[in-house]
Amino acid sequence: GDSVTQMEGPVTLSEEAFLTINCTYTATGYPSLFWYVQYPGEGLQLLLKATKADDKGSNKGFEATYRKETTSFHLEKGSVQVSDSAVYFCALTTGDTGRRALTFGSGTRLQVQP
Amino acid sequence: DAGVIQSPRHEVTEMGQEVTLRCKPISGHDYLFWYRQTMMRGLELLIYFNNNVPIDDSGMPEDRFSAKMPNASFSTLKIQPSEPRDSAVYFCASSAAGRMSAETQYFGPGTRLLVL
Repeated sequence: GDSVTQMEGPVTLSEEAFLTINCTYTATGYPSLFWYVQYPGEGLQLLLKATKADDKGSNKGFEATYRKETTSFHLEKGSVQVSDSAVYFCALTTGDTGRRALTFGSGTRLQVQP
Repeated sequence: DAGVIQSPRHEVTEMGQEVTLRCKPISGHDYLFWYRQTMMRGLELLIYFNNNVPIDDSGMPEDRFSAKMPNASFSTLKIQPSEPRDSAVYFCASSAAGRMSAETQYFGPGTRLLVL
């Protein structure tokens, strides 16, 4: 079945540091890939997405590139802020099978210190 | 738009009681999803609907769980009888129709359920 693997957290960084959160996937067909963010006590919000190989999703300084050859969708940001502290989830849907539900990774907690 | 609305936000109940969670999706969205989040299992799909019809209920744990969508603007997730292991945060999400797998799902704030 489909699955998503994320790096274990928490990830603790100082403000303005470079961020990478690794995500790899296993899926049948050609998935669409997503990063969602969850702030404390809130629901999930879409951060960015990519729907085909070599697409780059970007938003609020975050970027991720859909790499089919390595089945990866790593999240990066050049300079993190304290306000980026949250839990980040990598996820996919599998278009070919028609299954619209998201399959999530386990989440990675990011803590940014001033 | 108010976004996806869930109620109640918090629910504390005793084992054996019936629990009903409610969701109002974003107007015009054709898909509605129920997810559950726990420390042990992370985020997992329970069930989803398309145009009020259940499409995939493979994640519903057992017969104690049931979900309905009587119209396009309302869905319920019911647990009867509830057990302590049902304690979790339950999220409702909705999305528009469109290219099959690429549509963004919009999540509600969740219902935090504690079964004592």
